[in-house]
Amino acid sequence: DVKVTQSSRYLVKRTGEKVFLECVQDMDHENMFWYRQDPGLGLRLIYFSYDVKMKEKGDIPEGYSVSREKKERFSLILESASTNQTSMYLCASGTATNEKLFFGSGTQLSVL
Amino acid sequence: AQSVTQLGSHVSVSEGALVLLRCNYSSSVPPYLFWYVQYPNQGLQLLLKYTSAATLVKGINGFEAEFKKSETSFHLTKPSAHMSDAAEYFCAVSVASPGSARQLTFGSGTQLTVLP
Repeated sequence: DVKVTQSSRYLVKRTGEKVFLECVQDMDHENMFWYRQDPGLGLRLIYFSYDVKMKEKGDIPEGYSVSREKKERFSLILESASTNQTSMYLCASGTATNEKLFFGSGTQLSVL
Repeated sequence: AQSVTQLGSHVSVSEGALVLLRCNYSSSVPPYLFWYVQYPNQGLQLLLKYTSAATLVKGINGFEAEFKKSETSFHLTKPSAHMSDAAEYFCAVSVASPGSARQLTFGSGTQLTVLP
């Protein structure tokens, strides 16, 4: 069974902390994505990667960075967490054509 | 740039009634179109997709959608709602970008409630 695993289901952090969200996929997919999901706004793309060490900004990259050192792992980094980054974060992976994305179950991040 | 508009953030239907969730897209090039479903406390899973083959697309759990280029629409339907269909549904569009991967742009979602 294919799997996208996000390291934490719930996370509580304080303002100014550095936060790492980890995502691992076991399908040898080229592409990986980070979205944030907010009520009424749907999913918004933060960053994506189409190869190891490659990254591209999505629609809302400000305040975030990413790392992809290995094909199966894609990390989202909040350098200095702020309260407006409280959200549900979803990781996804897909093949080169992205005809189907596989999603993790999400990390609900609260920044206090 | 592409975009998706989902009409109605909340839709309620009775069990056994027709389900119709509306999606309109904007794209300057031929798009791929998708419907994803999200059950509580889970990630999204693909219901169905249109990738320039047949305009009427059948998906899982009895759902289908029709691509209508003239109306720039991709509405999701199911003839008879079941209680287990209660979930949030997202329409998405993707277009090819030279030298880059296709990116999915999602709509804001429609929460479907099924009444007994």
